[in-house]
Amino acid sequence: DAGITQSPRHKVTETGTPVTLRCHQTENHRYMYWYRQDPGHGLRLIHYSYGVKDTDKGEVSDGYSVSRSKTEDFLLTLESATSSQTSVYFCAISLAGGTDTQYFGPGTRLTVL
Amino acid sequence: AQSVTQPDIHITVSEGASLELRCNYSYGATPYLFWYVQSPGQGLQLLLKYFSGDTLVQGIKGFEAEFKRSQSSFNLRKPSVHWSDAAEYFCAVGNSGGGADGLTFGKGTHLIIQP
Repeated sequence: DAGITQSPRHKVTETGTPVTLRCHQTENHRYMYWYRQDPGHGLRLIHYSYGVKDTDKGEVSDGYSVSRSKTEDFLLTLESATSSQTSVYFCAISLAGGTDTQYFGPGTRLTVL
Repeated sequence: AQSVTQPDIHITVSEGASLELRCNYSYGATPYLFWYVQSPGQGLQLLLKYFSGDTLVQGIKGFEAEFKRSQSSFNLRKPSVHWSDAAEYFCAVGNSGGGADGLTFGKGTHLIIQP
């Protein structure tokens, strides 16, 4: 299995609270991704990174920001969490970008009350 | 924009029976296609992928998929399912334009195995 960890694995928070999710990889892959998974929607891309300090928006980026200061870490921040951001969040990595296999982390279940 | 359709939300199959999960994609160029499986409470695991070449692709756990350009399909098959195959299955398409952006996923098919 690819060396990808996500923390925390579970989090319950309240509306309006800032939340940061962390993705850590030990594979030295250039590309990293954040997806959210919701019933009936499959996985949808939030943000992605193509190198240190290089990030871009995905399909559902509103209300989220990301940062990547080191190759191995990709942070997802909800500046002010809302109930609509209750979801399971997955981090993924790939070696060669959009045409390459993506390897997924175990996920973080976030509940916003 | 690229898209993926998995027409079946749920499929129930008896153990030992054959399986086919459907996937249709919309993409202008040659697609990069993937099938992933997700067991309950787990992350996604790659079953197989198609980039080019032979249109019949073999994957892990006895799965295979066939790319049919004329039908814009990439259906997943298994000749005999096991109870452990019960899971959520996702088809995805990658951006062959060379960009860094992520995969586009279908909404998934939930596979139920009857004893």
